Amino acid sequence: DADVTQTPRNRITKTGKRIMLECSQTKGHDRMYWYRQDPGLGLRLIYYSFDVKDINKGEISDGYSVSRQAQAKFSLSLESAIPNQTALYFCATSDPRPQSSYNEQFFGPGTRLTVL
Amino acid sequence: GENVEQHPSTLSVQEGDSAVIKCTYSDSASNYFPWYKQELGKGPQLIIDIRSNVGEKKDQRIAVTLNKTAKHFSLHITETQPEDSAVYFCAASMGGGSYIPTFGRGTSLIVHP
Repeated sequence: DADVTQTPRNRITKTGKRIMLECSQTKGHDRMYWYRQDPGLGLRLIYYSFDVKDINKGEISDGYSVSRQAQAKFSLSLESAIPNQTALYFCATSDPRPQSSYNEQFFGPGTRLTVL
Repeated sequence: GENVEQHPSTLSVQEGDSAVIKCTYSDSASNYFPWYKQELGKGPQLIIDIRSNVGEKKDQRIAVTLNKTAKHFSLHITETQPEDSAVYFCAASMGGGSYIPTFGRGTSLIVHP
């Protein structure tokens, strides 16, 4: 969905490096999420934010941190990257208002991260 | 918490055949069940969803059925076409303010021309 953008789209880095993945959205949604996708493991939630002042851990938050700089921006950081963090990362948004399709999540195109 | 099992992990069909993907969930409080399609190189996109007050929902060639007693729901695709080839994810959640879906592990559907 072009309304949710992620940068970079691909990144190769080395073990121990600090990496930031960025997500921006023009949908005006309050809720934003970071997921990790690994083959055969589906989509696993890393962190989520229901508004600018709200940050919550997901099921696999260890080794990651996030920053919600504004309603439209939600960044994911790997403080010291390790090889098992090699994966496809997705940002998503949703709108909880009843008059919208409030349960639908809108995903960005993903960032493919490789940690050597 | 919620646990969603999805089967099969890979499904190969001939064009024109039907495809069925099945999911089970563990939390009887879940009442919203979306299905997402992920095409190669893209993020998942919602294709159909069902809420617990409905047993079946159709949208052209796709349909979803829900059995709350057995806690399972299925995606049915009829008259498959090559462009249906993708990874499909089911999910389950409680709707409303605390909506955080739990996803299945995905099914890779391959439609052979």
